[in-house]
Amino acid sequence: RKEVEQDPGPFNVPEGATVAFNCTYSNSASQSFFWYRQDCRKEPKLLMSVYSSGNEDGRFTAQLNRASQYISLLIRDSKLSDSATYLCVVSLHGSGNTGKLIFGQGTTLQVKP
Amino acid sequence: DAGVIQSPRHEVTEMGQEVTLRCKPISGHDYLFWYRQTMMRGLELLIYFNNNVPIDDSGMPEDRFSAKMPNASFSTLKIQPSEPRDSAVYFCASSQTSGGGNEQFFGPGTRLTVL
Repeated sequence: RKEVEQDPGPFNVPEGATVAFNCTYSNSASQSFFWYRQDCRKEPKLLMSVYSSGNEDGRFTAQLNRASQYISLLIRDSKLSDSATYLCVVSLHGSGNTGKLIFGQGTTLQVKP
Repeated sequence: DAGVIQSPRHEVTEMGQEVTLRCKPISGHDYLFWYRQTMMRGLELLIYFNNNVPIDDSGMPEDRFSAKMPNASFSTLKIQPSEPRDSAVYFCASSQTSGGGNEQFFGPGTRLTVL
């Protein structure tokens, strides 16, 4: 079983739609959670951290459910520029793991005009 | 400010040749990571360093792969001999962290093709 699992998609949605991505992680010791964005043929970049209480950044909302080991990302009013691959990322803390991130395979979003 | 710098950006080589990928992390960052990305396997961590010391190399595929960090501003990933299955995009990333899970900044990657 992969440590971080995501539906690879692609998700094809029209402009203005709301779309949600889900992610599950296997290690209950995971302590930090993130969403990274990767544009085609570019490097991954941090989109947002995910906090236990949930957090919002403009049109983007991230949620964490530790009991179910589940993370989500909601994009409202999607734009053409949101087309990218979204990577779910977890981090283990503690000896030997400090700084190390585990990446999911990514979910591809295509926003159509 | 300059981000993470990688060279070369593209490399095409023949099977059996030695390949050296280079990385300059962001100044002041104490962690450096090497990743490999393919369509089939996604983004895989190969090795990472803290203060120039290798911490975890469990992701290095086999003895053909080696990585060094002689100083805080330079790291290399070497493949010798290269094989077609090594074709991938290799990313270097750096971070500054005192705990865990701080943001990693990625370089633009080296697209390696082994014929």
